[in-house]
Amino acid sequence: DQQVKQNSPSLSVQEGRISILNCDYTNSMFDYFLWYKKYPAEGPTFLISISSIKDKNEDGRFTVFLNKSAKHLSLHIVPSQPGDSAVYFCAASGGSSARQLTFGSGTQLTVLP
Amino acid sequence: DAGVIQSPRHEVTEMGQEVTLRCKPISGHDYLFWYRQTMMRGLELLIYFNNNVPIDDSGMPEDRFSAKMPNASFSTLKIQPSEPRDSAVYFCASSLTLGVPDTQYFGPGTRLTVL
Repeated sequence: DQQVKQNSPSLSVQEGRISILNCDYTNSMFDYFLWYKKYPAEGPTFLISISSIKDKNEDGRFTVFLNKSAKHLSLHIVPSQPGDSAVYFCAASGGSSARQLTFGSGTQLTVLP
Repeated sequence: DAGVIQSPRHEVTEMGQEVTLRCKPISGHDYLFWYRQTMMRGLELLIYFNNNVPIDDSGMPEDRFSAKMPNASFSTLKIQPSEPRDSAVYFCASSLTLGVPDTQYFGPGTRLTVL
């Protein structure tokens, strides 16, 4: 049973436009959410996070939105750059497994020049 | 900081052989995690340690898998005997209790191929 779902395996966006990556979760005990970016042959790197007490967190070109009632979060990248091309993982933690991260299956973002 | 260090980066072995993967966490981090990434199952947590003590090993697939953390700067993940279905990328990650909650820092991974 996947508690964190990324339903889009891939996304292509033109350089300069907005990229929107989506993530849904089922466990209402999750209270912290993170996005990781992964390049080929490298480990995932932390990108941005949000606590469940907020509905938005912004860091430069990256903004994460959280809709607790819908159990949905999204990552917006504006403007998208070719260097943003990577696999993006959504992750969540909280409840009895507070120290563990549950990852989604990832979305491959390709930013076209 | 050097980040999380894993060795080897690539390992090719034959079925039935013992495989040992190594990890050095970021200095001062008191949590260490072992993950496995496959096409079928994505990124899954195998085991994690706090202050060198295993906390949750429920993700370890079989008794063929074992992990140790003899000190704060070193951990191993051992597979004995290895099987072709163990082929995957294995990641080690570490985090700091007093840091941003649950932000884990990953190593570059070990790509394991079992023939």
